[in-house]
Amino acid sequence: EMQLVESGGGLVQPGGSLRLSCAASGFTFRGFEMNWVRQAPGKGLEWLSYISANSDTIHYADSVKGRFTIFRDNAKKSLFLQMDSLRAEDTAVYYCARDARVPLDFWGQGTLVTVSS
Amino acid sequence: DIQMTQSPSSLSASVGDRVTITCQANHDIRNYLNWYQHKPGEAPKLLIYDASVLEAGVPSRFTGSGSGTDFTFTISSLQPEDFATYFCQQYDNLPYTFGQGTKVNIK
Repeated sequence: EMQLVESGGGLVQPGGSLRLSCAASGFTFRGFEMNWVRQAPGKGLEWLSYISANSDTIHYADSVKGRFTIFRDNAKKSLFLQMDSLRAEDTAVYYCARDARVPLDFWGQGTLVTVSS
Repeated sequence: DIQMTQSPSSLSASVGDRVTITCQANHDIRNYLNWYQHKPGEAPKLLIYDASVLEAGVPSRFTGSGSGTDFTFTISSLQPEDFATYFCQQYDNLPYTFGQGTKVNIK
């Protein structure tokens, strides 16, 4: 059974850092492009970042460019999002999602990040 | 960025009802559109891709249509397990963008 399990969320102060992880199982992780998407409370979904299967292509949304870093470890079947200089508006549920036939075809359940003092 | 306008934002319906949701893009996205179902605490689930292609294992009561800028998602006969939030998403261009979602409530 395919699974994506996010972890690493929690409460962090403004200006702080957090690293999210996404553990993949049930499919050949190294063969797939991956993304991070978030949903702030009461808001719609926002795509954040994309990484190709071998990490040679990376894209970011303008809202997180220069503050967030996406990377992956194919040997460990894991995707990561390093989040620095966090702001209150980064409070959201963060999802990892796979690209296959189409972008974002399979998602994890998400992990909650709360940025507050 | 491509803006996706989804309507309605919520609706109330009964089991057996036909439900229709629309999504409009402010730029031609060809047929590069997904529809998802999202229940609280669960992973969003892809139902339809390429605007009209049913994902494997998804019941045939879910259909999608449209191309260019105007798209429609229909549940032909609403079932108890269909009460959820539905949203569209374009993948013609990065950044991928989403509709605001439609919450389907029990009448």
